[in-house]
Amino acid sequence: GAGVSQSPSNKVTEKGKDVELRCDPISGHTALYWYRQSLGQGLEFLIYFQGNSAPDKSGLPSDRFSAERTGGSVSTLTIQRTQQEDSAVYLCASRAGRGEYNEQFFGPGTRLTVL
Amino acid sequence: GNSVTQMEGPVTLSEEAFLTINCTYTATGYPSLFWYVQYPGEGLQLLLKATKADDKGSNKGFEATYRKETTSFHLEKGSVQVSDSAVYFCVQGGSEKLVFGKGTKLTVNP
Repeated sequence: GAGVSQSPSNKVTEKGKDVELRCDPISGHTALYWYRQSLGQGLEFLIYFQGNSAPDKSGLPSDRFSAERTGGSVSTLTIQRTQQEDSAVYLCASRAGRGEYNEQFFGPGTRLTVL
Repeated sequence: GNSVTQMEGPVTLSEEAFLTINCTYTATGYPSLFWYVQYPGEGLQLLLKATKADDKGSNKGFEATYRKETTSFHLEKGSVQVSDSAVYFCVQGGSEKLVFGKGTKLTVNP
């Protein structure tokens, strides 16, 4: 079946512009995560959605970052007034149900470059 | 907070060599532990996992044993192949979120 998909695969933008990154999780997966992978760093947790519960936003680095998940499926990560330090690969993952034991399935990522 | 420390790379080996990538974690309780792998041009995927102390996760010839006494989850493979070239991430579970190590890049030469 289809895996997690993300779009665009690459995004180049100018400093100060807003960007939207999209994630389509695996159908039926109730949990959705956004991570950021910077050069030489591990994955940094950004935000987590579980079903209809309020999202866990504890990893968002600033109020320029926000995310929505519509209808319990597609999610959009928005970065306003982008800065050069926002350049990274943004990864989305989805998981069936709750519990840390369940595997997270990752998308291919969106590489964001802020000039 | 919780953190994962893994061996810094890059690691370069010849085919059929023995591989060890060290990983230690800090956490209270008994978190699940994972190794994820990222092959060139591909997304992250789960390689193996262990959910409690003394469990051994294994897949594709790779193994890792959950050692509570040393808070470690070292990845091993007895004979690596060129196709194992990838970045390997040691990961700690806990509640609903994962904590990733920084990754170790492995290159296997023929």
